[in-house]
Amino acid sequence: EPEVTQTPSHQVTQMGQEVILRCVPISNHLYFYWYRQILGQKVEFLVSFYNNEISEKSEIFDDQFSVERPDGSNFTLKIRSTKLEDSAMYFCASSDVVSGTTTGELFFGEGSRLTVL
Amino acid sequence: GDSVTQMEGPVTLSEEAFLTINCTYTATGYPSLFWYVQYPGEGLQLLLKATKADDKGSNKGFEATYRKETTSFHLEKGSVQVSDSAVYFCALIAGGTSYGKLTFGQGTILTVHP
Repeated sequence: EPEVTQTPSHQVTQMGQEVILRCVPISNHLYFYWYRQILGQKVEFLVSFYNNEISEKSEIFDDQFSVERPDGSNFTLKIRSTKLEDSAMYFCASSDVVSGTTTGELFFGEGSRLTVL
Repeated sequence: GDSVTQMEGPVTLSEEAFLTINCTYTATGYPSLFWYVQYPGEGLQLLLKATKADDKGSNKGFEATYRKETTSFHLEKGSVQVSDSAVYFCALIAGGTSYGKLTFGQGTILTVHP
């Protein structure tokens, strides 16, 4: 069964360092997403991406964050200068398009745990 | 803004017990409602969904009915198994064109003992 894969599963970094989290979405999907879950809190939407541009982003997704689809398979989340409060589990997801205004089911990866020291 | 509230956990049950996990929501328009499950060491998986009022979503013995009058989407299962131990998330997508922007509840940890 097709699945979304994420790397690394766990990354530890120093505050102020740049981090890139990688995702390989399901191959025929067209919408890509990043969500995060700070320990003990809700899973939160960060950003959605379609047709090589951001479709929607939350207020969390500030200038420190960026997303990119550098080739036909990978989808990355970059945090330029990590802060302690960026420590969280980051989930990538992808979906196909059901119609012009709706998406199909979101398929999530297992998550990348980021620890900022 | 849109929000989802789930019952506090964790929930601990014996095998074959009846399960209810309460979920209520606040949203403008007519949202679609979802239950996701996260088994240990795995990603979030869609368990069931309902896209309009009075719809019942069902899968793997779990059911939830979209109740617009009470803004609820409670998850139920008549007889839980040890393999149902997981974290359960209620979520919604607002009506309109919020592509895949899920709003999640806080999650409920379910542990089922033999």
